[in-house]
Amino acid sequence: DIQMTQSPASLSASLGETVTIECRASEDIYNGLAWYQQKPGKSPQLLIYNANSLHTGVPSRFSGSGSGTQYSLKINSLQSEDVASYFCQQYYNYPYTFGAGTKLELK
Amino acid sequence: EVKLVESGGGLVQPGRSLKLSCAASGFNFNDYWMGWVRQAPGKGLEWIGEINKDSSTINYTPSLKDKFTISRDNAQNTLYLQMSKLGSEDTAIYYCARETTEGIAFDYWGQGVMVTVSS
Repeated sequence: DIQMTQSPASLSASLGETVTIECRASEDIYNGLAWYQQKPGKSPQLLIYNANSLHTGVPSRFSGSGSGTQYSLKINSLQSEDVASYFCQQYYNYPYTFGAGTKLELK
Repeated sequence: EVKLVESGGGLVQPGRSLKLSCAASGFNFNDYWMGWVRQAPGKGLEWIGEINKDSSTINYTPSLKDKFTISRDNAQNTLYLQMSKLGSEDTAIYYCARETTEGIAFDYWGQGVMVTVSS
């Protein structure tokens, strides 16, 4: 199975700040990566797919980048509604696997 | 509006079986791969598996392949997850989700249903 190592596990940031979350795959996943946001008590929501494509309706302050085994999610100008957990998922190879998540809080 | 509504969860004894359902509406169910994801309390997401449009291809995470069975009824717009030999490690919220038209990431998720395995 492809292991997805996400960092940091938790993060505290101020409103308006830029935040970056990293995800490293145990092998090349050829941009087969998605990012999800999960707010407390809610279902996950798709933010980014194919490593850098913004899902419909997702604010443009979210962006994804990376290639090979290293990927990142960037949130520009952090808003209060961005407080959530964020998960990466690889879908390059079966079984699809998720990162352990990053919990983002406001400072 | 795309809606996915899971049902069938609850408290079940260890070793027993349970079948979850996911009722889909607001889109042409026949045109999409569907999948199941679970989340143990306070933990991360675990991909269970997926099923293609006509049920001819079903993929599972290997550790659950002998315990869980995914199926669908396109006439009823419903996805199923049959779970057997349940243990405490299966206690989780179970989500059904729709894959994108490319059959990759999950673009819509249900609200989830809680399954608690305990005597």
